[in-house]
Order: sequence, then structure tokens, then C-alpha cells
Amino acid sequence: KQEVTQIPAALSVPEGENLVLNCSFTDSAIYNLQWFRQDPGKGLTSLLLIQSSQREQTSGRLNASLDKSSGRSTLYIAASQPGDSATYLCAVTSGSARQLTFGSGTQLTVLP
Amino acid sequence: NAGVTQTPKFQVLKTGQSMTLQCAQDMNHNSMYWYRQDPGMGLRLIYYSASEGTTDKGEVPNGYNVSRLNKREFSLRLESAAPSQTSVYFCASSYPVTSTDTQYFGPGTRLTVL
Repeated sequence: KQEVTQIPAALSVPEGENLVLNCSFTDSAIYNLQWFRQDPGKGLTSLLLIQSSQREQTSGRLNASLDKSSGRSTLYIAASQPGDSATYLCAVTSGSARQLTFGSGTQLTVLP
Repeated sequence: NAGVTQTPKFQVLKTGQSMTLQCAQDMNHNSMYWYRQDPGMGLRLIYYSASEGTTDKGEVPNGYNVSRLNKREFSLRLESAAPSQTSVYFCASSYPVTSTDTQYFGPGTRLTVL
């Protein structure tokens, strides 16, 4: 059974800092790994998707890496802003149904 | 193009009552999913429908039933609600053909069972 773990559970940083969120998964037979953002009381927005054959993806100030063999991914956020405050969820796609297995998320607070 | 829509947005039930959560997508996606999210946890898959006419259990199916009414609509039914089913329910859809396909999520239904 695929399990996804995210560390830390919560993180508070001052504006402008660079930060790293961590994600690990137990079964390396994945199609892809995604990072989602969830604002309070809202749905999920996909930020980055890394295919299993890729090592990293970048979008603006966000960079996600994938090491499939070790079952790890990191999300790097450069020059953090208060608007980055949200919960960040990592999820892997695996299985014949291509279902998503989610981690429990990292709640990020960027202080002005 | 509304994406994935869910109704209702909020619902309060008493133990033992039944209700149906509705989900519709207008992206011509083959696959649809129902998840629940509990405080401090990620989303857990309840049921999914890989294509019109098929449904399968996910990680936490007990106490729920689903219907794939047509390609656009996928409903989740609670026959006899229990306090343990208090949660936020998300519907998602995708066209899972390649490894770049992502799931698109609705805004969620916040359900409280008293």
C-alpha cells in the first residue's frame, strides 16, 4: 500500500526566506508526483507535476525535485511572500486506476 | 467552462439521515473520484469511476455508495450518516491517459453529522 509522508507538518518563516518542503513515499512504482496548494476552506490547485522519468520541474519561484529510487521529493520556494501562506500537499499517482495518494500536508505561514 | 462543480457547499445532518452529494465536470474527462479530507490529514480516496459505467472502491468506502450517472456526473450517497462521516468531501476528475495528466478538484462539500 502506497504511503506518503510530509515533513514538517507546519512551518513559519519571515518574508523573503527560501524554504524547502519534504515529501517521501513508500512505493517507487509511480506515474508522477504532484504538489498541490490548498487555501483555507478551498479546493486544491495543482502547482507542479513531475513525471516519473523526470528529475525536476520549475514554475516561477517554485522548483520541485523527484528522486524516485529513494522515494523522495522536495518543493523549494524561493523568496517567500505572505501570499504563499497555505497548506502544501504532495501526492503520487500509482496503481492501475492511476489514483492519487496524498500526504497530510505542510501548513506554511509566511510572516510579513 | 466551470471545471468541477459540487453541490451542496455545506450540509448538516443528524445521525441516521441520508443524503447525496452531487458532482459534475464539463471537461469531457473519463475518470472521476470522491475523496474525504479530515483535519490535519491529506485526502483519502472513497470511490472512483475509471470510465462511464464502472465504479470501484478506494481506501475508505465503508458507509458510502456511488453512482456514475453519465460521463459528466458522479454522485456520492450516505445512506445512514454517522458522526465519523463529518468531513470535507472533494470530487475530482481526470483524463488519465499519459503520465502528465492531473486531477482537477471541485471546491468541496463541508458535511457535519450531529
